[in-house]
Amino acid sequence: EVQLVESGGGLVQPGRSLRLSCTASGFTFADDAMSWVRQAPGKGLEWVGFIRNKAYGGTTEYAASVKGRFTISRDDSKNIAYLQMNSLRTEDTAVYYCTRVQVVTKFFDYWGQGTLVTVSS
Amino acid sequence: QTVVTQEPSFSVSPGGTVTLTCGLSSGSVSITYYPSWYQQTPGQAPRTLIYNTNTRSSGVPDRFSGSILGNKAALTITGAQADDESDYYCVLYMGGGNWVFGGGTKLTVL
Repeated sequence: EVQLVESGGGLVQPGRSLRLSCTASGFTFADDAMSWVRQAPGKGLEWVGFIRNKAYGGTTEYAASVKGRFTISRDDSKNIAYLQMNSLRTEDTAVYYCTRVQVVTKFFDYWGQGTLVTVSS
Repeated sequence: QTVVTQEPSFSVSPGGTVTLTCGLSSGSVSITYYPSWYQQTPGQAPRTLIYNTNTRSSGVPDRFSGSILGNKAALTITGAQADDESDYYCVLYMGGGNWVFGGGTKLTVL
Protein backbone atom coordinates (compact mmCIF):
# COMPACT_ATOMS: atom_id res chain seq x y z
CA GLU A 1 0.00 0.00 0.00
CA VAL A 2 1.37 3.40 -1.00
CA GLN A 3 1.74 5.75 1.95
CA LEU A 4 3.04 9.29 2.12
CA VAL A 5 3.52 10.84 5.54
CA GLU A 6 4.41 14.50 5.93
CA SER A 7 6.11 15.89 9.00
CA GLY A 8 7.89 19.00 10.17
CA GLY A 9 5.06 21.50 10.18
CA GLY A 10 4.48 23.98 12.97
CA LEU A 11 4.51 27.62 13.97
CA VAL A 12 7.33 29.75 12.60
CA GLN A 13 8.00 33.47 12.54
CA PRO A 14 8.07 35.45 9.31
CA GLY A 15 11.48 35.45 7.70
CA ARG A 16 12.52 32.18 9.32
CA SER A 17 13.01 28.75 7.76
CA LEU A 18 11.37 25.37 8.09
CA ARG A 19 11.96 21.99 6.47
CA LEU A 20 9.16 19.55 5.75
CA SER A 21 9.69 15.86 5.18
CA CYS A 22 7.62 13.37 3.22
CA THR A 23 8.35 9.75 4.10
CA ALA A 24 7.22 7.31 1.43
CA SER A 25 6.50 3.62 1.59
CA GLY A 26 4.78 0.93 -0.46
CA PHE A 27 6.50 1.73 -3.76
CA THR A 28 9.99 2.14 -5.23
CA PHE A 29 10.52 5.74 -4.22
CA ALA A 30 13.66 6.21 -6.31
CA ASP A 31 11.71 5.46 -9.50
CA ASP A 32 9.10 8.16 -9.00
CA ALA A 33 8.77 11.91 -9.21
CA MET A 34 7.25 13.80 -6.30
CA SER A 35 5.48 17.08 -5.83
CA TRP A 36 4.30 19.41 -3.07
CA VAL A 37 0.89 21.06 -3.08
CA ARG A 38 -0.38 23.48 -0.46
CA GLN A 39 -3.72 24.78 0.72
CA ALA A 40 -4.10 28.01 2.68
CA PRO A 41 -6.87 28.02 5.30
CA GLY A 42 -10.24 28.17 3.57
CA LYS A 43 -8.62 28.43 0.14
CA GLY A 44 -7.98 26.18 -2.83
CA LEU A 45 -5.09 23.95 -3.77
CA GLU A 46 -1.88 25.48 -5.08
CA TRP A 47 0.92 23.54 -6.77
CA VAL A 48 4.23 24.38 -5.07
CA GLY A 49 6.93 22.38 -6.81
CA PHE A 50 8.13 19.13 -8.37
CA ILE A 51 11.23 16.95 -8.29
CA ARG A 52 12.05 14.42 -10.97
CA ASN A 53 13.60 11.08 -10.20
CA LYS A 54 17.35 10.58 -10.52
CA ALA A 55 16.96 9.01 -13.96
CA TYR A 56 15.77 12.42 -15.12
CA GLY A 57 18.44 14.25 -13.19
CA GLY A 58 16.48 14.83 -10.00
CA THR A 59 15.84 18.34 -11.24
CA THR A 60 13.20 20.60 -9.79
CA GLU A 61 10.53 23.08 -10.83
CA TYR A 62 8.69 25.63 -8.70
CA ALA A 63 5.66 27.87 -8.73
CA ALA A 64 6.48 31.53 -9.19
CA SER A 65 5.15 32.28 -5.69
CA VAL A 66 7.90 30.22 -4.02
CA LYS A 67 10.73 30.23 -6.55
CA GLY A 68 13.98 31.33 -4.97
CA ARG A 69 12.69 30.71 -1.44
CA PHE A 70 11.68 27.04 -1.45
CA THR A 71 13.83 24.05 -2.41
CA ILE A 72 12.72 20.48 -2.97
CA SER A 73 15.21 17.66 -2.55
CA ARG A 74 15.12 13.92 -2.09
CA ASP A 75 17.04 11.19 -0.30
CA ASP A 76 16.34 7.98 -2.15
CA SER A 77 18.25 5.94 0.43
CA LYS A 78 15.72 7.02 3.09
CA ASN A 79 12.64 7.27 0.86
CA ILE A 80 12.15 10.89 1.86
CA ALA A 81 11.33 14.01 -0.09
CA TYR A 82 12.01 17.37 1.52
CA LEU A 83 10.63 20.87 1.17
CA GLN A 84 13.04 23.47 2.51
CA MET A 85 11.20 26.73 3.03
CA ASN A 86 13.24 29.90 3.59
CA SER A 87 12.23 33.54 4.06
CA LEU A 88 8.77 32.46 5.08
CA ARG A 89 5.89 34.89 4.73
CA THR A 90 2.50 34.99 6.42
CA GLU A 91 0.96 34.04 3.06
CA ASP A 92 2.86 30.74 3.14
CA THR A 93 0.56 29.61 5.97
CA ALA A 94 -1.07 26.45 4.64
CA VAL A 95 -1.44 22.71 4.87
CA TYR A 96 1.35 21.24 2.77
CA TYR A 97 0.65 17.97 0.96
CA CYS A 98 3.21 15.63 -0.52
CA THR A 99 2.12 13.80 -3.66
CA ARG A 100 3.51 11.16 -5.98
CA VAL A 101 3.53 12.19 -9.61
CA GLN A 102 2.77 10.02 -12.59
CA VAL A 103 5.07 11.67 -15.12
CA VAL A 104 3.62 10.06 -18.24
CA THR A 105 0.05 11.12 -17.54
CA LYS A 106 1.01 14.21 -15.54
CA PHE A 107 -1.12 13.80 -12.45
CA PHE A 108 -0.88 13.37 -8.70
CA ASP A 109 -1.94 9.83 -7.90
CA TYR A 110 -1.26 9.54 -4.16
CA TRP A 111 -1.47 12.21 -1.49
CA GLY A 112 -0.28 12.41 2.08
CA GLN A 113 -2.53 13.69 4.85
CA GLY A 114 -0.69 17.01 4.98
CA THR A 115 1.17 19.02 7.59
CA LEU A 116 0.17 22.49 8.75
CA VAL A 117 2.65 25.35 8.54
CA THR A 118 1.68 28.56 10.31
CA VAL A 119 3.78 31.64 9.69
CA SER A 120 3.05 34.24 12.32
CA SER A 121 4.82 36.51 14.75
CA GLN B 1 0.01 34.54 -15.49
CA THR B 2 -2.13 31.56 -16.45
CA VAL B 3 -5.43 31.30 -14.61
CA VAL B 4 -7.42 28.07 -14.54
CA THR B 5 -11.10 28.79 -14.11
CA GLN B 6 -13.78 26.74 -12.35
CA GLU B 7 -17.30 27.56 -11.25
CA PRO B 8 -17.08 28.66 -7.59
CA SER B 9 -20.18 26.70 -6.67
CA PHE B 10 -22.75 24.37 -8.13
CA SER B 11 -25.82 22.62 -6.87
CA VAL B 12 -27.36 19.31 -7.95
CA SER B 13 -30.33 17.30 -6.78
CA PRO B 14 -29.83 13.76 -5.53
CA GLY B 15 -29.90 11.46 -8.55
CA GLY B 16 -29.28 14.34 -10.89
CA THR B 17 -26.46 15.02 -13.31
CA VAL B 18 -24.00 17.87 -13.04
CA THR B 19 -21.08 18.95 -15.20
CA LEU B 20 -18.27 20.98 -13.70
CA THR B 21 -15.87 22.71 -16.05
CA CYS B 22 -12.21 23.72 -16.08
CA GLY B 23 -11.11 26.44 -18.44
CA LEU B 24 -8.25 28.79 -19.17
CA SER B 25 -8.29 32.55 -18.84
CA SER B 26 -6.67 32.64 -22.25
CA GLY B 27 -7.04 29.82 -24.71
CA SER B 28 -8.66 26.43 -24.84
CA VAL B 29 -8.12 23.34 -22.73
CA SER B 30 -7.18 20.27 -24.73
CA ILE B 31 -5.90 16.81 -23.93
CA THR B 32 -2.38 18.19 -24.17
CA TYR B 33 -2.96 19.81 -20.79
CA TYR B 34 -3.58 16.34 -19.26
CA PRO B 35 -6.50 17.60 -17.15
CA SER B 36 -7.04 15.78 -13.87
CA TRP B 37 -9.70 16.12 -11.20
CA TYR B 38 -9.60 15.78 -7.43
CA GLN B 39 -12.31 15.56 -4.79
CA GLN B 40 -11.81 16.99 -1.33
CA THR B 41 -14.04 16.95 1.72
CA PRO B 42 -13.36 19.29 4.67
CA GLY B 43 -10.34 18.30 6.73
CA GLN B 44 -9.30 15.56 4.33
CA ALA B 45 -6.58 15.20 1.75
CA PRO B 46 -7.65 15.38 -1.88
CA ARG B 47 -8.66 12.17 -3.61
CA THR B 48 -7.78 11.57 -7.24
CA LEU B 49 -10.86 11.04 -9.42
CA ILE B 50 -9.92 11.48 -13.08
CA TYR B 51 -6.62 11.78 -14.91
CA ASN B 52 -5.47 12.18 -18.48
CA THR B 53 -8.77 13.87 -19.31
CA ASN B 54 -11.04 10.86 -18.93
CA THR B 55 -9.41 7.96 -17.09
CA ARG B 56 -10.95 7.09 -13.74
CA SER B 57 -8.57 6.48 -10.89
CA SER B 58 -8.71 3.10 -9.18
CA GLY B 59 -11.85 2.63 -7.12
CA VAL B 60 -13.68 5.68 -8.47
CA PRO B 61 -17.33 4.91 -9.30
CA ASP B 62 -18.31 5.08 -12.96
CA ARG B 63 -20.81 7.84 -12.22
CA PHE B 64 -17.76 10.14 -12.44
CA SER B 65 -16.53 10.83 -15.97
CA GLY B 66 -14.16 13.27 -17.58
CA SER B 67 -14.13 14.83 -21.02
CA ILE B 68 -13.34 17.87 -23.11
CA LEU B 69 -16.45 19.93 -23.78
CA GLY B 70 -15.88 22.73 -26.21
CA ASN B 71 -12.83 24.61 -24.98
CA LYS B 72 -12.88 23.27 -21.43
CA ALA B 73 -12.21 20.11 -19.50
CA ALA B 74 -15.28 18.75 -17.80
CA LEU B 75 -16.17 16.49 -14.90
CA THR B 76 -19.63 14.97 -15.07
CA ILE B 77 -21.32 13.29 -12.15
CA THR B 78 -24.29 11.17 -13.21
CA GLY B 79 -26.72 10.10 -10.51
CA ALA B 80 -25.31 12.37 -7.81
CA GLN B 81 -25.30 11.05 -4.28
CA ALA B 82 -25.24 12.85 -0.96
CA ASP B 83 -21.64 11.94 -0.32
CA ASP B 84 -20.61 13.59 -3.60
CA GLU B 85 -21.01 16.89 -1.76
CA SER B 86 -17.40 18.08 -1.80
CA ASP B 87 -14.96 20.52 -3.29
CA TYR B 88 -13.72 19.57 -6.74
CA TYR B 89 -10.45 20.77 -8.19
CA CYS B 90 -9.05 20.47 -11.66
CA VAL B 91 -5.39 20.87 -12.48
CA LEU B 92 -3.75 21.43 -15.83
CA TYR B 93 -0.23 20.54 -16.84
CA MET B 94 1.50 23.58 -18.34
CA GLY B 95 4.63 21.83 -19.52
CA GLY B 96 8.17 21.86 -18.17
CA GLY B 97 7.13 20.21 -14.93
CA ASN B 98 4.62 22.91 -14.01
CA TRP B 99 0.97 22.57 -13.01
CA VAL B 100 -1.79 25.06 -12.23
CA PHE B 101 -4.86 24.27 -10.14
CA GLY B 102 -8.24 25.79 -10.69
CA GLY B 103 -9.87 27.62 -7.82
CA GLY B 104 -12.18 24.71 -7.07
CA THR B 105 -15.93 24.17 -7.24
CA LYS B 106 -18.00 23.65 -4.11
CA LEU B 107 -20.69 21.13 -5.02
CA THR B 108 -23.86 20.99 -2.97
CA VAL B 109 -26.22 18.03 -3.25
CA LEU B 110 -29.73 18.99 -2.18
